[in-house]
Order: sequence, then structure tokens, then C-alpha cells
Amino acid sequence: AQTVTQSQPEMSVQEAETVTLSCTYDTSESDYYLFWYKQPPSRQMILVIRQEAYKQQNATENRFSVNFQKAAKSFSLKISDSQLGDAAMYFCAYRGYNTDKLIFGTGTRLQVFP
Amino acid sequence: NAGVTQTPKFQVLKTGQSMTLQCAQDMNHNSMYWYRQDPGMGLRLIYYSASEGTTDKGEVPNGYNVSRLNKREFSLRLESAAPSQTSVYFCASSEIPQRTAGGYTFGSGTRLTVV
Repeated sequence: AQTVTQSQPEMSVQEAETVTLSCTYDTSESDYYLFWYKQPPSRQMILVIRQEAYKQQNATENRFSVNFQKAAKSFSLKISDSQLGDAAMYFCAYRGYNTDKLIFGTGTRLQVFP
Repeated sequence: NAGVTQTPKFQVLKTGQSMTLQCAQDMNHNSMYWYRQDPGMGLRLIYYSASEGTTDKGEVPNGYNVSRLNKREFSLRLESAAPSQTSVYFCASSEIPQRTAGGYTFGSGTRLTVV
């Protein structure tokens, strides 16, 4: 069975600085998708970025980028120029290419200080 | 706005009471899901439905039942609520991964408290 591990329950960063959230996963599949979701206090689940495993290039969305290491089964999220609005819970998630289920990690709470 | 609509947003139940959480999507997605979110445990899958007329158990199905009423609607029922079911519940929908690059669309969640 696939698993997703987020080993950092909490992280903090100062405004305008850079922070990296870690995620590792375990799977025997070769094709899959990886995601980072943001959950602000409003509780809404917001897709931040996605990575398709067959793509070697790391995904980037504005200030958000990932470091995808397929052999190491690692999928970290880098937030550059952090803003107060980035404060939220961040979830890493995995979905097999031919499966329905999305598997989540336990989340990392990010605090952003002025 | 197109998306996933969950009702209610908040609910307080007494132990032993029953209730149904409603979920509807208007994106013509085949698959729908119910997750629960608990502190320190992330989101865990309760039940899912890959298509109209089918349902399957997820990771934590005990104490819950589901109904896929039609392609749009997927309800979650607690027959006899227990304090351990205090949680935030999310409904989501999706298409097959190859059509949507794997993405889910989530509802806004229901905060349920069982006292």
C-alpha cells in the first residue's frame, strides 16, 4: 500500500524568506501524481502544485516550486518570498496513475512571521 | 460557481443520533469521495464511489454508510453518532486521473461535533 510521510508537524518562516516543506512517499508504482494542497483557516482545500512522475522537470507555480526526486521518493515544496497569506496547513498527497484514491500525509502547519 | 457543495457546514449531534451529510457536484465527474480530517492524521478516506451505482470502503469506513444517489450526489450517513466521529468531513469529486492530471475538487467541509 502507498504511504505519504510528512515529518515536520510545524514550520515557521519570516516574511520574504524561503522555506522548504518535506514529503516522502512509498509506492511500487512507476506512474503517479504528487500534489501539495494548502488549507488556510477557512478550511478550504486549495491545490498549490502538482507533479506527474513521468516528467523529470520540477513543477513551478509562481513562488511555489517542488524538488521531485523519484529515486529517493521525495517531493519537497519550496515557498519563496513567503507572505503572511501563506500561513496554513500544507498537505502532501499521492495518487496512482490508474487509481481513484488520493492518499494524504499528516500535514505541516506553516507559520509566517512579519 | 461550479464545484462541490456540502451541507451542512456545522453540526452538533448527541451521542446516538443519526444524520446525513449531503454532497453534490456539478462538474459531471464520475468519482466522488468522503474524507475525514483529524488533527495529526491528515485526511483519511471513508468511502468512495468510482461511478454511479458503485461504492467502496476506504481506510476508515466503520460507523458510516454512503449512498450514490445519482451521478451528482453522494451522501454520508452516521446511523448512531459517537464522540469518536467528531471531525471535519470533506466531500470531493474527480475524473479519471488521465483526464484531469489527477486533481480532485473539494467541498468546503462540514465540522461535526458529537457530544
